[in-house]
Order: sequence, then structure tokens, then C-alpha cells
Amino acid sequence: DSGVTQTPKHLITATGQRVTLRCSPRSGDLSVYWYQQSLDQGLQFLIQYYNGEERAKGNILERFSAQQFPDLHSELNLSSLELGDSALYFCASSVGLVRSEAFFGQGTRLTVV
Amino acid sequence: GESVGLHLPTLSVQEGDNSIINCAYSNSASDYFIWYKQESGKGPQFIIDIRSNMDKRQGQRVTVLLNKTVKHLSLQIAATQPGDSAVYFCAETQLSGNTGKLIFGQGTTLQVKP
Repeated sequence: DSGVTQTPKHLITATGQRVTLRCSPRSGDLSVYWYQQSLDQGLQFLIQYYNGEERAKGNILERFSAQQFPDLHSELNLSSLELGDSALYFCASSVGLVRSEAFFGQGTRLTVV
Repeated sequence: GESVGLHLPTLSVQEGDNSIINCAYSNSASDYFIWYKQESGKGPQFIIDIRSNMDKRQGQRVTVLLNKTVKHLSLQIAATQPGDSAVYFCAETQLSGNTGKLIFGQGTTLQVKP
């Protein structure tokens, strides 16, 4: 167990809908990262938050947004879902801004039908 | 864009043999590299890391080698066990970039034959 908790584990939704994925980082970790893993794209960095502030953005679509709350948990919001958004979404956390070791959660498997 | 690639998509080894998984990276500014192991249905798990001021680092049964001249990274697993079966990813980042953004390779599937 990495100590990073993601909910829900599985999510099935229809195209055009909006979903929210939740992540609780390890105790003491200030950085939260979101990654998308699909079969054809591998693990793609989406976004990083550090202590409530956005620190880095990757290939995150405009339909996607995220935030980190004062208690350091994070949410990833995916809207106007398309079939191609079906993927595993991972959250990771680390102590500092520049990671020395990031711990990954078990992921949320999103299926868009 | 930047990418970290793995040479082989699947590696099959006999239990007890040594495994070598390779990775090529393209960004010469990357100064920190990590190997992750991902088992089926789980998130990536940190195995070992290495900074660009080193060319070798050893852990328990694992060794990472870094060749900056040819931008090549390898993971050696000694006495491979069935529990080592997983997908292995290399990842790179720039510590000087002031973010924790990781660029992952596509992954190599390691199959251990009993």
C-alpha cells in the first residue's frame, strides 16, 4: 500500500458527462500529480499541484481541470467526456516540489461508453 | 516533443536468470531518472533512481546504469523471480526545472518463465 488513496476505483459513464476523481496523498506529502495511462499513450503527465498551487501542466485537455484543497487532497474533473478519455487515471504524491520519490495510488479506471 | 523510449516491448527470461531492461532518453537536460514497476491492476511502484552525476546505482537485486554519452539507461535485475513479472517504465525529469513532472517511456513487459 503506497498510502495514496484514489476514489472511485472504477467509473463507467456516458459520453458528454462530467466526472470527478479524488485523490488523498500520503500523510505529509505536499505535491500531488495526476497522470493518464492509456494503452496507446503510456503514462502521460497531466498536472502537478504543490501545497494548493498549480506548479506544472502537461498535456491536459481544456475539458479537464484539477485543484488541490487546503487539506491537500486533490480532485481531477473531466467534463464533456469522449470515448477517447477512457483510461486509467493515476494520482501520485511526494513530499517536496521536485520529487525525489513519488508514490502512486491504485488508479481510477474510467470507461466512457 | 521529449520522449523516453524503451527498446523492447516484451522481455522473456527464465527464473533465476538476470534481466536487463533498456531505455533511451532524448532530453539531454534531464538529470534525474527513475525506474518504476507496474503490476497488473496496480499503480507504478518506485524501484530505483539515479542522478546524472552518477553512472551506476545498486539496490537490492537491482542495478541501474546510466550512460549520458549515448543517453541510455538500463535496469538490471539479478536472479529474476516470478514476482518480478510486471511492466517496467523508465522516467526522466529535470531537478532544475523546479517541478516534479515525469516523462515516462512506453514500458517493457517482463515475463518470467518458471
